[in-house]
Amino acid sequence: QVQLQESGPGLVKPSGTLSLTCAVSGGSISSSHWWSWVRQPPGKGLEWIGEVYHTGSTTYIPSLKGRVTISVDKSRNQFSLRLTSVTAADTAVYYCARQAAVAGNPFDYWGQGTLVTVSS
Amino acid sequence: QSVLTQPPSVSGAPGQRVTISCSGDSFNIGAGYDVHWYQQFPGTAPKLLISINNNRPSGVLDRFSGSKSGTSASLAITALQAEDEADYYCQSYDSSLSGREAVFGGGTKLTVL
Repeated sequence: QVQLQESGPGLVKPSGTLSLTCAVSGGSISSSHWWSWVRQPPGKGLEWIGEVYHTGSTTYIPSLKGRVTISVDKSRNQFSLRLTSVTAADTAVYYCARQAAVAGNPFDYWGQGTLVTVSS
Repeated sequence: QSVLTQPPSVSGAPGQRVTISCSGDSFNIGAGYDVHWYQQFPGTAPKLLISINNNRPSGVLDRFSGSKSGTSASLAITALQAEDEADYYCQSYDSSLSGREAVFGGGTKLTVL
C-alpha cells in the first residue's frame, strides 16, 4: 500500500520561501508515475501546483511559474516543493499526490495534507 | 475561477438520486481528456471516487457512477445516504502552452436533507 507523508514548516513569513517534502513509502518514486503537489486554501477548492517525474522532468501551473520548483530525490524516495516570495494568498493545506500510471492519470494516492500559514 | 465548472451545492433526501455536473471546454474535457471524481470529507484528503469517466476503484460502492459527453461530465449518486454528505470535485487535464496541466472543478457540496 503506497503512503505519502508531507512534512515541513507550518508557518512561513511573507516574502519568505515555503519548503515541503513528501516521503513516499510502499512504492518507488522511480516507478512510472508522476508525482504532484495540490493545495487547498481554507474553505476553498483544490488547485494543482505542478508535477515531477523521477527523471526530473516537471510541469508547473502558469500562474506560479517563476516562484515554484518541484524536485525529486530518488535516494530518499521523496519529492519536494519550493515556493518563493510567498504572500497570504499562499496560505493553504498542501497535499502531495501520486498520479496513477493508467489512462487518464487520476490522483490515486494522497498524503494527509499539511497546513501552511503565511503570516508575520 | 476554476477551469472546470461545478454547481456550488446540491442536495437530496435519503434514498434519492442526485447528479453533479462538471463543465469544461475544447481544451480539456472536449479535447478527449478523461474526467475523474474525488470525494472529500472535512479535514481529510480527497479520495478518488471515479476514474477514467466511469471506473470505480476497489471499495467504492456502485451507487456512484460517472459519465462524460462532449465538453461535460457528471457524477450520479443513487440511493443517497447521510454518509454521502461531502464535497465532490471533478478533475481532468488541460492543454496549455506549457504542456498538460491538471485542472479541478470548484467543488460541489452535497447536503443530505
